[in-house]
Amino acid sequence: NAGVTQTPKFRVLKTGQSMTLLCAQDMNHEYMYWYRQDPGMGLRLIHYSVGEGTTAKGEVPDGYNVSRLKKQNFLLGLESAAPSQTSVYFCASSYVGWYEQYFGPGTRLTVT
Amino acid sequence: DAKTTQPTSMDCAEGRAANLPCNHSTISGNEYVYWYRQIHSQGPQYIIHGLKNNETNEMASLIITEDRKSSTLILPHATLRDTAVYYCIVRVAGSARQLTFGSGTQLTVLP
Repeated sequence: NAGVTQTPKFRVLKTGQSMTLLCAQDMNHEYMYWYRQDPGMGLRLIHYSVGEGTTAKGEVPDGYNVSRLKKQNFLLGLESAAPSQTSVYFCASSYVGWYEQYFGPGTRLTVT
Repeated sequence: DAKTTQPTSMDCAEGRAANLPCNHSTISGNEYVYWYRQIHSQGPQYIIHGLKNNETNEMASLIITEDRKSSTLILPHATLRDTAVYYCIVRVAGSARQLTFGSGTQLTVLP
């Protein structure tokens, strides 16, 4: 039981490049979330999903897209990366709603 | 969601109880108090949550005042590995919209 895994762990992009971050969970959770965390700040919700095939916007959705084609996977896409998107990205999942959330180890993204 | 206020930082001696306060004076009747922590560079970890009764699990105890306007997370025997940022979050259970973590309390456990 791996819990929540994220791929990749580190990435450096140039401005304008695109990439996809992959989150996978093996706990059969319905809800999945993407957060970003900037230095010295708390987590901010980017997008979330309440089930396979659904997505919804969080607090800071601009510049990101997401997809939940399979229940166990939640993808976060950056179509045209900007330096302001330099951050640590965390994925999380929960059985239902906002109960106990399980977080992945994070992806450190640098956009130059 | 109700706003929470936590001290920026606290120290605690190893082996002693760590008491982390949180004020949430505008909490609604259907909002729960959740505690998470984040050890440096790792993903956040759920600790405990409660509505109005005190709660205890293998990690910690949560004491919520009778008026529910404040709460305290207690780590009974702090270890060096408990050094982390602790987040107090007030939230309606079952809702995932507009979730925001604040800046939390940096707890440093001293040897």
